Amino acid sequence: SQKIEQNSEALNIQEGKTATLTCNYTNYSPAYLQWYRQDPGRGPVFLLLIRENEKEKRKERLKVTFDTTLKQSLFHITASQPADSATYLCAPPPGNAGNMLTFGGGTRLMVKP
Amino acid sequence: SQTIHQWPATLVQPVGSPLSLECTVEGTSNPNLYWYRQAAGRGLQLLFYSVGIGQISSEVPQNLSASRPQDRQFILSSKKLLLSDSGFYLCAWSRGGGEQPQHFGDGTRLSIL
Repeated sequence: SQKIEQNSEALNIQEGKTATLTCNYTNYSPAYLQWYRQDPGRGPVFLLLIRENEKEKRKERLKVTFDTTLKQSLFHITASQPADSATYLCAPPPGNAGNMLTFGGGTRLMVKP
Repeated sequence: SQTIHQWPATLVQPVGSPLSLECTVEGTSNPNLYWYRQAAGRGLQLLFYSVGIGQISSEVPQNLSASRPQDRQFILSSKKLLLSDSGFYLCAWSRGGGEQPQHFGDGTRLSIL
């Protein structure tokens, strides 16, 4: 069956370093992936979308890659700040494409000053 | 600009009591609407989605139901709540499906006693 996996353990890094979060998927080939940020007690907020034919997408300090061979998307935050501390969710469609999203369990990022 | 309102923010209900959570969207027409549930430390589980008035699709069998009486109003209901219904309920909208990002409300924290 199709699976979306994100590291459930929190990622702790020092301010100024680059944070790298991983999203792995199995048993299918999503046409795109979305990444969201969720703060405690709040709804997720959309950050970036990357399509299967795009190797990399950037937005300010954020960079997302999409490796269809490894079946993996990486989410990078460069020059991380304590304000970047949050849970980050990846969300591909449940099938190869379509109207819905399937959200991974998210990875909590803690940036220490 | 578009906004999404969800209420109440917090709700404590006894087992067996009814439930009604409401979500409204402003500033857009004919949005796709979604209800998700998020258990503590877990990902988002899609409960219902709607592509138009009166059109509801259910993703998981449960004692919950959803209705869309107006274009920008989405209601989550239950006749008798179970302990397992506790969780964080999120409403979201998108402009169509596919790659369109989803925009979330701030959620309702539901505790069943």
